[in-house]
Amino acid sequence: AQKITQTQPGMFVQEKEAVTLDCTYDTSDQSYGLFWYKQPSSGEMIFLIYQGSYDEQNATEGRYSLNFQKARKSANLVISASQLGDSAMYFCAMRPYSGGYQKVTFGIGTKLQVIP
Amino acid sequence: ETGVTQSPTHLIKTRGQQVTLRCSSQSGHNTVSWYQQALGQGPQFIFQYYREEENGRGNFPPRFSGLQFPNYSSELNVNALELDDSALYLCASSANGVGRSYEQYFGPGTRLTVT
Repeated sequence: AQKITQTQPGMFVQEKEAVTLDCTYDTSDQSYGLFWYKQPSSGEMIFLIYQGSYDEQNATEGRYSLNFQKARKSANLVISASQLGDSAMYFCAMRPYSGGYQKVTFGIGTKLQVIP
Repeated sequence: ETGVTQSPTHLIKTRGQQVTLRCSSQSGHNTVSWYQQALGQGPQFIFQYYREEENGRGNFPPRFSGLQFPNYSSELNVNALELDDSALYLCASSANGVGRSYEQYFGPGTRLTVT
């Protein structure tokens, strides 16, 4: 079974500053993928970034980077140069690559608020 | 290319009724997953359809069922609605086995309220 833990219910960040959203995971699978999604108040889940468990380099997508520490089973999201439009819920998620289907397990989320 | 669409946007049903939610997958995607997101929670995996067959299911009772059609669109059916079924239902499509198949693209969701 997979488990995702996000311990920060809410975070504040000043506009243009960087912020780190924490995520730890638990799995017995050797091969898995880690994801971050953004969910604005409109409800749609927006894919941000992906990290494979065998990827040696941390993933980056524009202002988003994933700080992957496999031994610690952590996959923190770093948002650089925060913008007002970054205010949203952020979900960490994972899926194992064993089994034939893409069951994705989500954490409970962190609410990020960017302050002008 | 069109994104994932869901209908209806909002729905109010009475306990005991049945409901059908619809999802059109993104062009070129052959896999559809359904999730239930209760208020203040992360999405919970309901099931997944790949080429018209259910190929994975989460911890949801049999009254949650689905279909996938030849054009890869999908339906989620819930029978005997309960108050706890009130949630945002999200559909996600992906191109299993093709390119960045790990990427799931979500629709805007259907907000179901059961009274």
